[in-house]
Amino acid sequence: DADVTQTPRNRITKTGKRIMLECSQTKGHDRMYWYRQDPGLGLRLIYYSFDVKDINKGEISDGYSVSRQAQAKFSLSLESAIPNQTALYFCATSDRQGAPYNEQFFGPGTRLTVL
Amino acid sequence: QQPVQSPQAVILREGEDAVINCSSSKALYSVHWYRQKHGEAPVFLMILLKGGEQKGHEKISASFNEKKQQSSLYLTASQLSYSGTYFCGTEIAYGQNFVFGPGTRLSVLP
Repeated sequence: DADVTQTPRNRITKTGKRIMLECSQTKGHDRMYWYRQDPGLGLRLIYYSFDVKDINKGEISDGYSVSRQAQAKFSLSLESAIPNQTALYFCATSDRQGAPYNEQFFGPGTRLTVL
Repeated sequence: QQPVQSPQAVILREGEDAVINCSSSKALYSVHWYRQKHGEAPVFLMILLKGGEQKGHEKISASFNEKKQQSSLYLTASQLSYSGTYFCGTEIAYGQNFVFGPGTRLSVLP
């Protein structure tokens, strides 16, 4: 079984709809991240969470919100989806107990299309 | 601020060597390297810390020049499986301000 799972894997929605992307992990890691990937721009950080009560904005958080329901679950919401949020979204985890190293482990991605 | 990667793309024949560079304008705590194959998630390769410690893939080597805030990833005797996009990521302190570079696309041909 995959250590980091994302649901759904693909989603097509319309402008203005509310969308939630979910991420779950069985790695026991305390840190979780949401990224979006657009061609030529690499991976850009949306939000990250170092534990259930610690949530931080990344470089492109506008238009997104997150919820850390438990150590193993981190959800990303688009309150009112717009076409330029069409992208590939990745969840990732890392382990504070791996310090001083902070390597990240990625889920398989969710491809979101906003029409 | 996003690190700069060079080259943007490189094409090799199997068995040839390649170097991918990553540079930052900020003083760094660490540089990470990840590889992403087409249609897949990024996979961790290596992490280099200021001070010289490193952890990662046994068949891939990298360096970190702390004075210049530059890292290089060395791919020697390349294999077809090395094809993909390579991303560096940088931190200014442990767990802080992590940001990925735009990526370098590597194609290895038979």
